[in-house]
Amino acid sequence: DTGVSQDPRHKITKRGQNVTFRCDPISEHNRLYWYRQTLGQGPEFLTYFQNEAQLEKSRLLSDRFSAERPKGSFSTLEIQRTEQGDSAMYLCASSSDYTEAFFGQGTRLTVV
Amino acid sequence: DQQVKQNSPSLSVQEGRISILNCDYTNSMFDYFLWYKKYPAEGPTFLISISSIKDKNEDGRFTVFLNKSAKHLSLHIVPSQPGDSAVYFCAASDEDYQLIWGAGTKLIIKP
Repeated sequence: DTGVSQDPRHKITKRGQNVTFRCDPISEHNRLYWYRQTLGQGPEFLTYFQNEAQLEKSRLLSDRFSAERPKGSFSTLEIQRTEQGDSAMYLCASSSDYTEAFFGQGTRLTVV
Repeated sequence: DQQVKQNSPSLSVQEGRISILNCDYTNSMFDYFLWYKKYPAEGPTFLISISSIKDKNEDGRFTVFLNKSAKHLSLHIVPSQPGDSAVYFCAASDEDYQLIWGAGTKLIIKP
């Protein structure tokens, strides 16, 4: 296992377009998290899955954001009608019940 | 309101000396604390953690100290090496899934 994998690494999109990011967690990890990080700040929690169940969503996650983890393995994060304020690094992490979170390299989104 | 604060945006330390990174928190319900290290263009990497039932945890060159009464923790790196240059994040948790992060401290190790 090569760790947590995120795709794409970079995404540039025009304002108003929809984007989708993918995260493949470490295979034996049942927990999956999405965070957003902007320059000079620590990661901000967005949402959390335990297996396929989405157990928590931050109020930062507006109606334009949706996340899925359909089979309890990979996850997708979709942003509809992107805005310039959505420009950030989107980080995915996974863990088991007994380990700390392991992070992917992130997807850097730029909305122009 | 920031629940986890890292008040030093950057820190410069001579190679071979001790690096001390500080973190303060406000929520007394936090019971687990972690330090992550981040290089540019990479995701954070777990470094070391401490439970609130302890006041010290050591792993090689890295030691984390927790002072619950002061709501303060610190990460000591001894001796500092050039590869330690990175941004260090402090994170805290009172649940089993959500981490609250500080803004990070950029550590620069000078040769």
